[in-house]
Parts: sequence; C-alpha cells; structure tokens
Amino acid sequence: DIQMTQSPSSLSASVGDRVTITCQASQDISNYLNWYQQKPGKAPKLLIYDASNLETGVPSRFSGSGSGTDFTFTISSLQPEDIATYYCQQYDNLPPVLYTFGQGTKLEIK
Amino acid sequence: EVQLLESGGGLVQPGGSLRLSCAASGFTFSSYAMSWVRQAPGKGLEWVSAISGSGGSTYYADSVKGRFTISRDNSKNTLYLQMNSLRAEDTAVYYCAKQMVVAATGGMDVWGQGTTVTVSS
Repeated sequence: DIQMTQSPSSLSASVGDRVTITCQASQDISNYLNWYQQKPGKAPKLLIYDASNLETGVPSRFSGSGSGTDFTFTISSLQPEDIATYYCQQYDNLPPVLYTFGQGTKLEIK
Repeated sequence: EVQLLESGGGLVQPGGSLRLSCAASGFTFSSYAMSWVRQAPGKGLEWVSAISGSGGSTYYADSVKGRFTISRDNSKNTLYLQMNSLRAEDTAVYYCAKQMVVAATGGMDVWGQGTTVTVSS
C-alpha cells in the first residue's frame, strides 16, 4: 500500500504569512492527490484536486503543486479563517481503488 | 442545494451491528461514486469504503474488509454502510462523501455532517 508522509504535523504562523505544507508518497502517484481543510467539529472540505486544481469557490490564496512523489500545498497570505487541520489524500486511478490520507497538519495563528 | 445527510449512528456493543444511511439531494445521485470516511476521536481521517455510481464496483479498506458492506439505492438516492462484528476501534464519526466522478476515484467534493458510532460495552 502507498504511504503518505505529511509535514509538519503542526504549524504556527502569523496573519499574512505564506504557509507551506508538504506531502510525500511512498511511490509515484502521478497527480492523484487532493487537499482538504477541516475546521473543528466540521466535515472536511475539498480545496485542491488532482494536485493543482482549485475547487470551485475556494479562494485563490490556496494552491497546490507537485507530481510523482512530492507535493506542496500553499496558502499565499494566511487569514484568520484559515485556522484548521489540512489533509492530503492520495487515490488510485484504477481498481482496486484505495485512498490514503496524510496524518494532517494543524494550523494555528501566532 | 447539494446535500448529504447521514443517520443511523449510535452506541453498540462489541460484536454488534449497525447500519448507516446517507440521504443525498440536489444532484443526480447515480452519476457519482460515493465513499464513507471515518474519524476516530482526536485522530485523522480514514477512508473506509467506496462504491461506483451504478453500485457495480465496491472497495474497502483492509481494516473493515469482510465486516462492512457498502451499498446504494439509486431509486431512493441513499447510500448505506452495513457494519457487522463491530470493534472498539471502529468508534468514530462516519462521514459520507460524494466523489467528483461516476467511478470510485478522484476527489470528494461534498461531505455530510457525520454520524457518530460508539462501540462500547
């Protein structure tokens, strides 16, 4: 099975800062990677799909990049409402389908 | 408005069974695959199971294979998760999620609010 290593596990940054989270796959997953935001007590929300595509309605300060085994999620200018835990998610494009989430990154405001 | 509403969670003893439901509205249900994702208390997200839009293809995480069964009734716009032989480690909030395509792959773009399953004696 493919393992996803997400880092850091927690992050503290100031409003306006550029924030970067990375996710590394144990083998080549092409661009089959998504990023989700989860606020406390809420369901996850899809932000980025297929590594770099911004989901409809998501602010443009969020972006994703990468392919193969190394992926990056960036918030260009951190806002107070971005307080959340962020997860990467790998998926298989062919059967048998399996999904693997990263361990999550808890983002806090300094 | 696209919406998913889970139900069926509760307290069950180890070894017991529970059936979760997820009622969908606001989109053509049969045109999209669906998944169940769970989150144990204070833990991260874990994918549990997925089903294609037609219901003809189903997939499971190793942790639930042989104990859980995913199904859907496209005439009722409802997704199900039958959970048997429940263990303490199955305790979690269970979310249903709509996939972006008919095949069980890709991103999950709509999520329900979750239903809580507690396995305890």
